[in-house]
Amino acid sequence: QKEVEQNSGPLSVPEGAIASLNCTYSDRVSQSFFWYRQYSGKSPELIMSIYSNGDKEDGRFTAQLNKASQYVSLLIRDSQPSDSATYLCAVEESGAGSYQLTFGKGTKLSVIP
Amino acid sequence: EAGVAQSPRYKIIEKRQSVAFWCNPISGHATLYWYQQILGQGPKLLIQFQNNGVVDDSQLPKDRFSAERLKGVDSTLKIQPAKLEDSAVYLCASSLDITQENGELFFGEGSRLTVL
Repeated sequence: QKEVEQNSGPLSVPEGAIASLNCTYSDRVSQSFFWYRQYSGKSPELIMSIYSNGDKEDGRFTAQLNKASQYVSLLIRDSQPSDSATYLCAVEESGAGSYQLTFGKGTKLSVIP
Repeated sequence: EAGVAQSPRYKIIEKRQSVAFWCNPISGHATLYWYQQILGQGPKLLIQFQNNGVVDDSQLPKDRFSAERLKGVDSTLKIQPAKLEDSAVYLCASSLDITQENGELFFGEGSRLTVL
């Protein structure tokens, strides 16, 4: 059973600070990694994808991937109250004719004004 | 562009009753997924379709759950008979296809099931 592990939180940060969210995964052959944001009562929405080792930046968001350590993280700079949500880490599993995502349980982030 | 449509949004049933959920994916999306999300957990894949064929249903409890995607567009997920532990949000998602380049998932708003 492939696993994706996240600290469930809650993680509380003050407005304007950097929020750091972490994720580890068990399948060494995974090649694609995603961060989804899920507001309470809403469906997940994709905010970042990363496929290569290193950093990928998009606005206030930076995804970091280290395949050797099987570790992926998301940094949110200048955190805003609107960033308060659950962040889901998802890891791709590819098999014969399939491409699907395994999700972690999510980390709940609260940004305090 | 219209997103993934799901209905009903909410459903309350007694245990041992049956329920059906409907999903209409984004136009042109070949791949359709049903996920189950229990409160406080991440989505868990139940079944994956590519056009009208099943790619993976290994985590679908087949003694009570069934799903179909006739004509490769709309899909229905049925639970019969329902158990208390089936209380969850059932998320439908679609993607263009099953490659890394086109594998981004787009989720519907979900169908929230409460089994009493």
